[in-house]
Amino acid sequence: ETGVTQTPRHLVMGMTNKKSLKCEQHLGHNAMYWYKQSAKKPLELMFVYSLEERVENNSVPSRFSPECPNSSHLFLHLHTLQPEDSALYLCASSQSWDRGSYEQYFGPGTRLTVT
Amino acid sequence: DQQVKQNSPSLSVQEGRISILNCDYTNSMFDYFLWYKKYPAEGPTFLISISSIKDKNEDGRFTVFLNKSAKHLSLHIVPSQPGDSAVYFCAASDRGGKLIFGQGTELSVKP
Repeated sequence: ETGVTQTPRHLVMGMTNKKSLKCEQHLGHNAMYWYKQSAKKPLELMFVYSLEERVENNSVPSRFSPECPNSSHLFLHLHTLQPEDSALYLCASSQSWDRGSYEQYFGPGTRLTVT
Repeated sequence: DQQVKQNSPSLSVQEGRISILNCDYTNSMFDYFLWYKKYPAEGPTFLISISSIKDKNEDGRFTVFLNKSAKHLSLHIVPSQPGDSAVYFCAASDRGGKLIFGQGTELSVKP
């Protein structure tokens, strides 16, 4: 148990569906991240929020839409996904890096399958 | 172009022996490095880190070595235990909050 929870753990959705992934951290951190892990590939950073403001968007398609309502919660809204978007989606949190802390703590991930 | 590379996709070691996992990077702006361990169906777990002002950091059975001139770091696990069997990722940061991960090395420790 890392203090970062993600729901759902598994999700199967059609290409026309809309769904949301949820992440919650109980560590008192103020930065949160979304990563994508595809088979045999490194973790790819998708979005970074620091103090609830988005500071990084790694050229992610607009069919992925993040939301960070407060420092403990992060959402990833999904719509009109493609089969190649099937992957493990990981949420992480950390203290803000300007405090000299770079360790990120990960949730268990959501295994997404797009049919 | 991949900035952090783990060239060995897998490693098999006998229980009790040393496991050495390697990682190379290309960006000289990276100055903080981390190792993560990942079991199936779980997220990566932070293991150990090292700042570029050091060349070695130890935590129990785990030691990370950094060779800045070669842009190379390694993780030593000694003695290796069957419970260490997992995928190990190295990651690098330029202190901007962004971690760049390698592809991972799957370690198998045989009893």
